[in-house]
Amino acid sequence: DTEVTQTPKHLVMGMTNKKSLKCEQHMGHRAMYWYKQKAKKPPELMFVYSYEKLSINESVPSRFSPECPNSSLLNLHLHALQPEDSALYLCASSHPVGNTIYFGEGSWLTVV
Amino acid sequence: GIQVEQSPPDLILQEGANSTLRCNFSDSVNNLQWFHQNPWGQLINLFYIPSGTKQNGRLSATTVATERYSLLYISSSQTTDSGVYFCAVDYYSNYQLIWGAGTKLIIKP
Repeated sequence: DTEVTQTPKHLVMGMTNKKSLKCEQHMGHRAMYWYKQKAKKPPELMFVYSYEKLSINESVPSRFSPECPNSSLLNLHLHALQPEDSALYLCASSHPVGNTIYFGEGSWLTVV
Repeated sequence: GIQVEQSPPDLILQEGANSTLRCNFSDSVNNLQWFHQNPWGQLINLFYIPSGTKQNGRLSATTVATERYSLLYISSSQTTDSGVYFCAVDYYSNYQLIWGAGTKLIIKP
């Protein structure tokens, strides 16, 4: 069983909708990540929060907006997405740099 | 930047067979991790192995950092071993893992 929990597991949204993906971990990790994964590709890093501060933003379009309310929670707010944004969105956590990274089960997003 | 190459890209085996997956990297790294992604998308961390050998049940991994490669061994394969195996390296020590393209493993009953 994963110790990183993501909700929802599946999401279908229209291009004008606003939705959020949620992630929670209770391992005491201080680094949390959002990754995007397209079919048959490895995960691509989107954002990293370290000690609840945005540490890395990999030039992600502003229609994706991350939020880290506390050390256990990570959200990804979605607005005005495009069909090409359909993908598996993975949340992960780790102790800071250079440690084992643990992934959630992912949220399958379809933009119609 | 650093290159991470995995081989073979695809592997089809019968249940009970053994397999070896390889990960080559083009520069010194701080750490290397192996992951298994099942057909439902779940990514499981198998090993954190910057160097040396580790074993976990039927799986074992060896990283030879001086020669810039890592091997993942799967013995007595089961259908549940099917999926994609990724290796990823930490190069800059700033949370950014560099991923290989993966090896897709299919275990037939």
